[in-house]
Amino acid sequence: SQTIHQWPATLVQPVGSPLSLECTVEGTSNPNLYWYRQAAGRGLQLLFYSVGIGQISSEVPQNLSASRPQDRQFILSSKKLLLSDSGFYLCAWSVGLAEPNEQFFGPGTRLTVL
Amino acid sequence: DAKTTQPNSMESNEEEPVHLPCNHSTISGTDYIHWYRQLPSQGPEYVIHGLTSNVNNRMASLAIAEDRKSSTLILHRATLRDAAVYYCPRGGGSQGNLIFGKGTKLSVKP
Repeated sequence: SQTIHQWPATLVQPVGSPLSLECTVEGTSNPNLYWYRQAAGRGLQLLFYSVGIGQISSEVPQNLSASRPQDRQFILSSKKLLLSDSGFYLCAWSVGLAEPNEQFFGPGTRLTVL
Repeated sequence: DAKTTQPNSMESNEEEPVHLPCNHSTISGTDYIHWYRQLPSQGPEYVIHGLTSNVNNRMASLAIAEDRKSSTLILHRATLRDAAVYYCPRGGGSQGNLIFGKGTKLSVKP
């Protein structure tokens, strides 16, 4: 069966520090991978998606970047965190591009920037 | 790039049915209708999807309007564990993207 892992589960970082969040998927090949952010009291905002190794699409301009060094690994990074980067970061995967394209979400990383 | 629209919150009593509405007036003919829910401090989980016909699964039922501009997620007997934020994200993105709004926060009272 397929599983998705995210770490760390929680993170407290000072403003201006770097960030690296990791997501890995097991039990499937060539998944589509997604990074979402959920700010407090807000809905889910799609940040990045990837349909293959080295292929990254950004949905919104921001302080963050994403990379996919391996087929089932998706990394979210920042060189210098801002207060506004605080939130709940969710990784998700799906198979194929055609609808309905059910997405499976990880447990999330709660990031607090102080 | 219109999102779907849902009420911000709803309340239900335990053991009673719950009807959660979603308007998707700009949906295209080939877009599926999706529902996800997010329990507190967890990632969202898939609930159900449909295209034109009503759908049933072990979690819920999905009633789709004839013009497909709205849908209703039906929980037949709400339990305390159904308290969550329910989303009906818009699909149809070029890379299989789902576009989530703020969802409906469902509270279930014992």
